Amino acid sequence: GAGVSQSPSNKVTEKGKDVELRCDPISGHTALYWYRQSLGQGLEFLIYFQGNSAPDKSGLPSDRFSAERTGGSVSTLTIQRTQQEDSAVYLCASQGVGGIGETQYFGPGTRLLVL
Amino acid sequence: SQKIEQNSEALNIQEGKTATLTCNYTNYSPAYLQWYRQDPGRGPVFLLLIRENEKEKRKERLKVTFDTTLKQSLFHITASQPADSATYLCALNNAGNMLTFGGGTRLMVKP
Repeated sequence: GAGVSQSPSNKVTEKGKDVELRCDPISGHTALYWYRQSLGQGLEFLIYFQGNSAPDKSGLPSDRFSAERTGGSVSTLTIQRTQQEDSAVYLCASQGVGGIGETQYFGPGTRLLVL
Repeated sequence: SQKIEQNSEALNIQEGKTATLTCNYTNYSPAYLQWYRQDPGRGPVFLLLIRENEKEKRKERLKVTFDTTLKQSLFHITASQPADSATYLCALNNAGNMLTFGGGTRLMVKP
């Protein structure tokens, strides 16, 4: 079956521009996560959606970052006024019902380069 | 402060040997710990989960141990193959189902 998909796969933008990154989770999965991974580093948690609950935004690094999840499915991560330090791979993961120990299924990521 | 530490240096081993990767954590009391594999340019892929009340878990050539006293998990790949070369990430739950990931260790298996 279809896994988690993300688009675009690569994005090059100029400093100060806004970007939108998209995540299509596995159908029926209620939990969705966004992470950021800098070169050679581990995954940095950004935001977590679970069903209709208010998202956990505790990992967002600044107010330039925001995310929404429409209809409990597709999610968009928006970065406003991009900075060079925003360059990283942005990974999305979905999880069945967000139960204890459930596997997270990751998309291939969006590679963002801010010039 | 809370930390999850994995050896940031690459682990180089010969094909057929056992690879052992370490994950240490401080100031966490995880209910479970997971190990993921990540290949270049791809997202992480789940391998194994071990719960706090389990000492060891096996899956084919993989074995994971979890010592909550030492606050350490060991990940073993027996009879390693060049195809096992990848970065291996440990992750533990720090609040509810939220996962926190270590920085990963790159494994290189030489033929």
